[in-house]
Amino acid sequence: NAGVTQTPKFQVLKTGQSMTLQCAQDMNHNSMYWYRQDPGMGLRLIYYSASEGTTDKGEVPNGYNVSRLNKREFSLRLESAAPSQTSVYFCASSEFAVREQYFGPGTRLTVT
Amino acid sequence: RKEVEQDPGPFNVPEGATVAFNCTYSNSASQSFFWYRQDCRKEPKLLMSVYSSGNEDGRFTAQLNRASQYISLLIRDSKLSDSATYLCVVNSGGYQKVTFGTGTKLQVIP
Repeated sequence: NAGVTQTPKFQVLKTGQSMTLQCAQDMNHNSMYWYRQDPGMGLRLIYYSASEGTTDKGEVPNGYNVSRLNKREFSLRLESAAPSQTSVYFCASSEFAVREQYFGPGTRLTVT
Repeated sequence: RKEVEQDPGPFNVPEGATVAFNCTYSNSASQSFFWYRQDCRKEPKLLMSVYSSGNEDGRFTAQLNRASQYISLLIRDSKLSDSATYLCVVNSGGYQKVTFGTGTKLQVIP
């Protein structure tokens, strides 16, 4: 099993460009998450999807949108990238809220 | 007080040593607790869940102290491959209530 996969692994954008980060899991998990990780800070939740068909804002949702395409896939979109969105983005999944989360390998995004 | 606090380290220990990390949390209603390991430029990987009764997995032992609101991770017989950052994670009962610590860095030296 691949677990949680993410694409792309690396991306460089210019300010104002848009892009979509893709995430898929093959563990039949109900819940999926998008986090960002910045130096010296813990992982911060951007958006989550408790179950197929639902999405909700996390701690830092501004500048992002998400789509839960089906039970397996959860994408994150940056509509107009800003340098403050330079970060490492991780997708994760879990069976449900209080259970352990499994992470994808991350996307390193630089916005110039 | 931060929701979840960890000593950032680094903890530099020789191979074969025993090392322990603590993680304190502020919400007494927290429900589930985990330790993750994160290698440089990699994703966090689940090391172990922390149960009320404590649990052990090989050289690793995790404990929960609800009265003092902390969890601990003990690593015995440290290996070079244990060098990583260890994140504690506390879930206070909902999707938005999962808090990650900033991690404790461990360096095992030959």
